[in-house]
Amino acid sequence: QQQVKQSPQSLIVQKGGISIINCAYENTAFDYFPWYQQFPGKGPALLIAIRPDVSEKKEGRFTISFNKSAKQFSLHIMDSQPGDSATYFCAASYYNTDKLIFGTGTRLQVFP
Amino acid sequence: ETGVTQTPRHLVMGMTNKKSLKCEQHLGHNAMYWYKQSAKKPLELMFVYSLEERVENNSVPSRFSPECPNSSHLFLHLHTLQPEDSALYLCASSLSLAGGTGELFFGEGSRLTVL
Repeated sequence: QQQVKQSPQSLIVQKGGISIINCAYENTAFDYFPWYQQFPGKGPALLIAIRPDVSEKKEGRFTISFNKSAKQFSLHIMDSQPGDSATYFCAASYYNTDKLIFGTGTRLQVFP
Repeated sequence: ETGVTQTPRHLVMGMTNKKSLKCEQHLGHNAMYWYKQSAKKPLELMFVYSLEERVENNSVPSRFSPECPNSSHLFLHLHTLQPEDSALYLCASSLSLAGGTGELFFGEGSRLTVL
C-alpha cells in the first residue's frame, strides 16, 4: 500500500514555464510534508516543506500548495530554469518524527 | 569533511559474496537511516537508528544486516544477495528521530549491482 502517491512520473517544461507536481496522501496523521530535489549522482536534498496549519508556502520560485481536506499537496516551480532539471520527491511524516514516507518521484526536464 | 559520506560509491558483487556499505555523518546528528532507491519506486525506508539503537526494521530480508557502532557511523552488511537487490542505497541522518527539524541529510549513495 503506497501511502504517498506522486504524479506525473516525468515532466518536460520549457524554460520560463511553470512546473507542477502533485502528491496525494492517505494517512491523516501525517503532519509534515517536504519536497526533496535530487540531481543525478547525488542524494536527495530538502527543497521546501510545509505543515498542515498553512495552505501555502513560498520560497523564491518554489511554492507548496496544501489542501488538507483533499489530502493533496503540490509543488509549483515558477519561471522554470534548465538548472531545475532534477528528480523531485514529495514525502510525508507524522507524530513529529523525521521518518519520511516518500512518493515515487518526478523527473523534471527544463529545456531552453 | 562535512555532511554525510558513503563508501563505496559503486559496488559489484556476486550472489555468494559478503560486502559492507559504510556511512559516516559529520553533522552531530542522533538519528541515522538506510533507504533503498530503485527505479520508478518510492524510496524505501529499510532501517532507522536513534542514538545507536535500532528502532525500526521495515521487514527487510535478513541478508541485509545493519550495524551502528556509534552515532556517527552506520554500516549495512550484505551477504547472499539476489539480483533484485541491485539498487542505490542511501544513508541519511537527522538531528533527532523525534521532535527534530524534519529534515533528512542524505549521502550520495552506494550503487550496488548484484550479478
